[in-house]
Amino acid sequence: DGGITQSPKYLFRKEGQNVTLSCEQNLNHDAMYWYRQDPGQGLRLIYYSQIVNDFQKGDIAEGYSVSREKKESFPLTVTSAQKNPTAFYLCASSVKPSSGANVLTFGAGSRLTVL
Amino acid sequence: AQSVTQLDSHVSVSEGTPVLLRCNYSSSYSPSLFWYVQHPNKGLQLLLKYTSAATLVKGINGFEAEFKKSETSFHLTKPSAHMSDAAEYFCVVSAPSGYSTLTFGKGTMLLVSP
Repeated sequence: DGGITQSPKYLFRKEGQNVTLSCEQNLNHDAMYWYRQDPGQGLRLIYYSQIVNDFQKGDIAEGYSVSREKKESFPLTVTSAQKNPTAFYLCASSVKPSSGANVLTFGAGSRLTVL
Repeated sequence: AQSVTQLDSHVSVSEGTPVLLRCNYSSSYSPSLFWYVQHPNKGLQLLLKYTSAATLVKGINGFEAEFKKSETSFHLTKPSAHMSDAAEYFCVVSAPSGYSTLTFGKGTMLLVSP
């Protein structure tokens, strides 16, 4: 079945450590996205990529980095510069619509806790 | 510019009674609108979408929403709640076509009691 796989599902990190969250899709989608979810805050866009080797900052990119070396993969690194990294992280993808709106497909998420 | 406001952070209903989740939006163009559902510790699933066709949109699991331009609203309804409907619901606005970033509401938690 086609879908988006995020790993790990749960991750614990000590302060000052970088951590990388994996996102892989087999939907042949061109665009991929990373969102951060905090209780009562909705989803906020961290980074997105519409094509391999290109990506753009979202609303809250500070303290995060991404790469897009393959169409299927869009890993997110949470760096030690991110001041409040404990959150639920969601990866999504979409295919460029021939008409109408951009519909996202989401992964199951990764929950990061900083100890 | 675009924004979305979900008017209730929590809604409680009894099983078998109607559900109403309210959403107002603001947009400088004719937007596309979505409702997504999220069960605990899961990703988001698309319930339904409005993309300038019929103003009454039917989605999965018996949900529907009506686009009202004059009221800038896109409320989600279901005639009869089921226990499995308990989840968090997000109203989302975006530009009408092409690749575009989405703006999410802060979510409404639906609680269903037996």
